[in-house]
Amino acid sequence: GQNIDQPTEMTATEGAIVQINCTYQTSGFNGLFWYQQHAGEAPTFLSYNVLDGLEEKGRFSSFLSRSKGYSYLLLKELQMKDSASYLCAALDSNYQLIWGAGTKLIIKP
Amino acid sequence: GAVVSQHPSRVICKSGTSVKIECRSLDFQATTMFWYRQFPKQSLMLMATSNEGSKATYEQGVEKDKFLINHASLTLSTLTVTSAHPEDSSFYICSARVGRGPTEAFFGQGTRLTVV
Repeated sequence: GQNIDQPTEMTATEGAIVQINCTYQTSGFNGLFWYQQHAGEAPTFLSYNVLDGLEEKGRFSSFLSRSKGYSYLLLKELQMKDSASYLCAALDSNYQLIWGAGTKLIIKP
Repeated sequence: GAVVSQHPSRVICKSGTSVKIECRSLDFQATTMFWYRQFPKQSLMLMATSNEGSKATYEQGVEKDKFLINHASLTLSTLTVTSAHPEDSSFYICSARVGRGPTEAFFGQGTRLTVV
């Protein structure tokens, strides 16, 4: 079956760096998305990786290893507003999005 | 990016009544829209895939007679929760993608449904 695993909750300190991991098993693979979702709001797009390697976009970077079925989202210089859930989603061979359960990130001062 | 508008953002209804939620793609044509439900502290659960001009494809366990989906045009899909019960209270979100390939999903603002 298809499966996405990511930690349920993580805690980090303002100004620090945090890495949120995601492993996936899908029928075929056409890329991996990361979304940010604040409580009570819809998800917003952060990144898309389809090739191996690191993609950097400001304070946020996303990494993909297709051979390992693994991705991570790296958040630098954490701010209180980064407190949110981070959703990992893989695109399978039918271009269907398979969603992870999300990682709730708690930022402490 | 593309804009998806969802309305209403919040609705409270009495048990047994029906509620309609609209999802519009404002600056692109969406041949396919997706309807999700999200319970507190849980991930997005795909309810159905809405195809313009044809019947929606429902996920296993989702009652098609209870959750009526209509995709009458390339920019509008509606979800009607019929005979709502308190257990239907949830956050409903629609999304659309441009084309079929490796494109991101754009989400509506979500609808918080409370059935009393």
